[in-house]
Amino acid sequence: GAVVSQHPSWVICKSGTSVKIECRSLDFQATTMFWYRQFPKQSLMLMATSNEGSKATYEQGVEKDKFLINHASLTLSTLTVTSAHPEDSSFYICSAYRQLSSYEQYFGPGTRLTVT
Amino acid sequence: QQQVKQSPQSLIVQKGGIPIINCAYENTAFDYFPWYQQFPGKGPALLIAIRPDVSEKKEGRFTISFNKSAKQFSLHIMDSQPGDSATYFCAASKGNFNKFYFGSGTKLNVKP
Repeated sequence: GAVVSQHPSWVICKSGTSVKIECRSLDFQATTMFWYRQFPKQSLMLMATSNEGSKATYEQGVEKDKFLINHASLTLSTLTVTSAHPEDSSFYICSAYRQLSSYEQYFGPGTRLTVT
Repeated sequence: QQQVKQSPQSLIVQKGGIPIINCAYENTAFDYFPWYQQFPGKGPALLIAIRPDVSEKKEGRFTISFNKSAKQFSLHIMDSQPGDSATYFCAASKGNFNKFYFGSGTKLNVKP
């Protein structure tokens, strides 16, 4: 089946540092990937749409200079949280569309970011 | 404005019961309605999805009922098991490769 992986699964960093999270589609090519943020006991909040070979499209209210997204290949998108602060601590999840008989979106396992 | 409204927020059923989770949407352009299951600390997993050309879809113990005129769809879990205890999200999208609009989630607890 379709598999989307994320690395790392959890990360702790100090305030002011940058953290990169990778999202890979393991058995299919993904021209479009999405990055979500999820707070405890809440729904998924879409941060941005990542398209291979072009700039990401950010949702309203998401700081593009703080959350850098790069979709360098058909199987890899990265999210870099720059100058992280404690309020950036969250669960970050990526997803990718896979085209079979229909277009289905598969999610990665998530990355838990804790900024101290 | 919330595009997809989900209810209830939480649900407790006994093993073998049939929990029903409901979602309502506003945008008639939506043409894809998936349900996802999420366990704590994990990413959401696709359970079942439906398009508006059918009124019902069944996969295993999971059934989606779709009412296009009412702009509502629901998830039914037959013969629920404690292992089904998770948070369930409905979503909607329009066209292909487009973003999802998620419901607020329903936390299901199936008691043994």
